[in-house]
Amino acid sequence: ETGVTQSPTHLIKTRGQQVTLRCSSQSGHNTVSWYQQALGQGPQFIFQYYREEENGRGNFPPRFSGLQFPNYSSELNVNALELDDSALYLCASRQGTGGAYISPLHFGNGTRLTVT
Amino acid sequence: AQSVTQLDSQVPVFEEAPVELRCNYSSSVSVYLFWYVQYPNQGLQLLLKYLSGSTLVKSINGFEAEFNKSQTSFHLRKPSVHISDTAEYFCAVSDVSGGGADGLTFGKGTHLIIQP
Repeated sequence: ETGVTQSPTHLIKTRGQQVTLRCSSQSGHNTVSWYQQALGQGPQFIFQYYREEENGRGNFPPRFSGLQFPNYSSELNVNALELDDSALYLCASRQGTGGAYISPLHFGNGTRLTVT
Repeated sequence: AQSVTQLDSQVPVFEEAPVELRCNYSSSVSVYLFWYVQYPNQGLQLLLKYLSGSTLVKSINGFEAEFNKSQTSFHLRKPSVHISDTAEYFCAVSDVSGGGADGLTFGKGTHLIIQP
């Protein structure tokens, strides 16, 4: 089975620009979540999508937004980029939302975003 | 809200020696507990998890962790490490009642360095 794939692998943007990161979930997974991992830190939860609706969000401002498509692929959009947005962005997918994490999260390899 | 403390940012250990990576958590509600491993330039992989039942959980590659509710700990151990175990290890918690929509809360990680 195909795992979680993310694109692009690396990206350089300028402060104030907008960026879109993409994720293809593992086959059969209907739930996707995004995490931000700053250098030397653990991942931080941004939000989760289930059946194309956001159903959970961490402590991130509204300029972080997302989409989940009928084929369960997903996008993370960040507007008005700031220098502190430089990080590794991880997408993770799993099957279902009930019984939290009974089905494990499968992570992609991430997109490294650098904001200059 | 939960928090996770990984007391050691780096743990150097000789090959074939035992190792313990420490994890303490803080939460006002019941939690699920996880250990993830991250190899260089890769995403996170689930190593093991505690959901309920036996407090000692084991992975297929020789790691084990024990949930200690009174000490709010979930330390990771391995009796004999190999060079291939060199990686970043993250402890994470999830609120049992949140249905997974609150995401995982990660610690800052422990870099396990295996010395030949």
